[in-house]
Amino acid sequence: EAQVTQNPRYLITVTGKKLTVTCSQNMNHEYMSWYRQDPGLGLRQIYYSMNVEVTDKGDVPEGYKVSRKEKRNFPLILESPSPNQTSLYFCASSLSLRGSGGANVLTFGAGSRLTVL
Amino acid sequence: LAKTTQPISMDSYEGQEVNITCSHNNIATNDYITWYQQFPSQGPRFIIQGYKTKVTNEVASLFIPADRKSSTLSLPRVSLSDTAVYYCLVGDIRQNQGGKLIFGQGTELSVKP
Repeated sequence: EAQVTQNPRYLITVTGKKLTVTCSQNMNHEYMSWYRQDPGLGLRQIYYSMNVEVTDKGDVPEGYKVSRKEKRNFPLILESPSPNQTSLYFCASSLSLRGSGGANVLTFGAGSRLTVL
Repeated sequence: LAKTTQPISMDSYEGQEVNITCSHNNIATNDYITWYQQFPSQGPRFIIQGYKTKVTNEVASLFIPADRKSSTLSLPRVSLSDTAVYYCLVGDIRQNQGGKLIFGQGTELSVKP
């Protein structure tokens, strides 16, 4: 089944304890991205990657890191989590087509709910 | 980069047609307009995408005027299961077009019996 898999789905941690949220897709998609969702703020893009070894900042990158060493994986790293990073996180992937059409058809993971105490 | 504005919430009744409008005054020439549906505790799901004029699929229709500064998602004959948050997205993640995407705040649609 074509899907985006995130782990963990739920995590409670403490301030300053490094954590990684993994994201993996099995669709050979070039484009991958991370979002956080907070009440009243909708979905905000954290980082995105157009292909292996190509990453760039989204709207709210502060406090996060990412890497794209393989096409299928795009982990989100919180080096020193703080309470304001408590949120629901989504990973998404898409074909990054070179022609017209299908530009923003994203497949999302189920989400990872993170609480930082 | 285009910023989008949507109504925060809408109410409807079963069997009615629902139209949700998204404003995107600064849309770029290469940007596409895409709509997503999100149920509680799930990731957003693609509904429909368009560039200009009208697009229709088995789920919805998308109307885009000539100036492309707004778009309207039309859901025909909604049911209780259409209760969800609907997001408008403007951007273009094709190669060499950038990959930054900005979602709207979402419209919470509540369908009542």
